[in-house]
Amino acid sequence: KQEVTQIPAALSVPEGENLVLNCSFTDSAIYNLQWFRQDPGKGLTSLLLIQSSQREQTSGRLNASLDKSSGRSTLYIAASQPGDSATYLCAVITQGGSEKLVFGKGTKLTVNP
Amino acid sequence: GAGVSQTPSNKVTEKGKYVELRCDPISGHTALYWYRQSLGQGPEFLIYFQGTGAADDSGLPNDRFFAVRPEGSVSTLKIQRTERGDSAVYLCASSWGAGNTEAFFGQGTRLTVV
Repeated sequence: KQEVTQIPAALSVPEGENLVLNCSFTDSAIYNLQWFRQDPGKGLTSLLLIQSSQREQTSGRLNASLDKSSGRSTLYIAASQPGDSATYLCAVITQGGSEKLVFGKGTKLTVNP
Repeated sequence: GAGVSQTPSNKVTEKGKYVELRCDPISGHTALYWYRQSLGQGPEFLIYFQGTGAADDSGLPNDRFFAVRPEGSVSTLKIQRTERGDSAVYLCASSWGAGNTEAFFGQGTRLTVV
């Protein structure tokens, strides 16, 4: 059974810092990994999708990497801003079964002005 | 439509009542997912449709929960005899359906059972 873990559960940083959020998964046979952002009381916004054959994806100040063999992904946020404050969730779709997304519990990020 | 739409955005119901939650996926998306999210937790899988059929309903917690997608587009999640423990945010997502495609979520329906 696929399990996804995100560390840390919460992170508080001053504005301008570069930061890394971690995601690990137990079954490395995945189709893809997706990073989402969730603002309080809102739905999920897709940030980046990494296919199993890819090593990284970039969008603006965000860079996500994938090491499938070790079951790990990182989300790097450069030059953090208060507007980046949100909960960040990672999810994977595992091969050989249902195409459901399995989520971690998320990392709650606070960027202080 | 431009994005995944869920209605209502908020629903308050009394214990024991029946509720229906609606999801309008992105036009053309064949895959549709329902998730449930409790405070401080990640989304928990409920059911996944590929077209009109439920490809995986292993996440439905019990037989009070049922979902349909009769024409392969709009889906309705139905909860009978609601309990206070059903209170959560119910999220819907859609994608093109292959395992390697991006999923897009709606804003969710916040269900409160009093």
